[in-house]
Amino acid sequence: DGGITQSPKYLFRKEGQNVTLSCEQNLNHDAMYWYRQDPGQGLRLIYYSQIVNDFQKGDIAEGYSVSREKKESFPLTVTSAQKNPTAFYLCASSPRGTGRRPYERYTFGSGTRLTVV
Amino acid sequence: KNEVEQSPQNLTAQEGEFITINCSYSVGISALHWLQQHPGGGIVSLFMLSSGKKKHGRLIATINIQEKHSSLHITASHPRDSAVYICAGETSGSRLTFGEGTQLTVNP
Repeated sequence: DGGITQSPKYLFRKEGQNVTLSCEQNLNHDAMYWYRQDPGQGLRLIYYSQIVNDFQKGDIAEGYSVSREKKESFPLTVTSAQKNPTAFYLCASSPRGTGRRPYERYTFGSGTRLTVV
Repeated sequence: KNEVEQSPQNLTAQEGEFITINCSYSVGISALHWLQQHPGGGIVSLFMLSSGKKKHGRLIATINIQEKHSSLHITASHPRDSAVYICAGETSGSRLTFGEGTQLTVNP
């Protein structure tokens, strides 16, 4: 079955370390997204990519970096510059991209819970 | 003021009750999404709509474009419906702007 795989489910990081969260999809979706969720707040967009080798900053990109070398993969690196990285991170994809097809749903991964220790 | 606002924040119901969750948005959107998040964190897309009404099983979603308002209804609620329900407006670049979510608890 097609879907999005995020790994790991739980991740612990020491202060000052970079850490990379994996997101892989086999849905042949053009667009991929990274969101952050904090308790009591709505999901906020970190980065998104509508096509391979291209990505844009979202609303809270500082302290994060991404790459989109393959259509299936959109890894997120949480750098030491991110001052408050403890959060729940969700990856999503959609078939929209530069070739827009309307009314198709997003697919979300199961998330990675990152804790700084 | 958030661009997408939901009410109520928390909702407790008895099994069998009719439930309504409301969503208002202040930005221009191309579509409105309703999502369901279970305790483990994973999110499932329930509906995407840009006009009118959609129904899937016991779930009904409506949207009023002029009033910038959408509702999610659950008929004959069941404890397994307990989850966080999130509405999100889709804006340019297929970006989603999310509401803060409604925590629904259905007691047996």
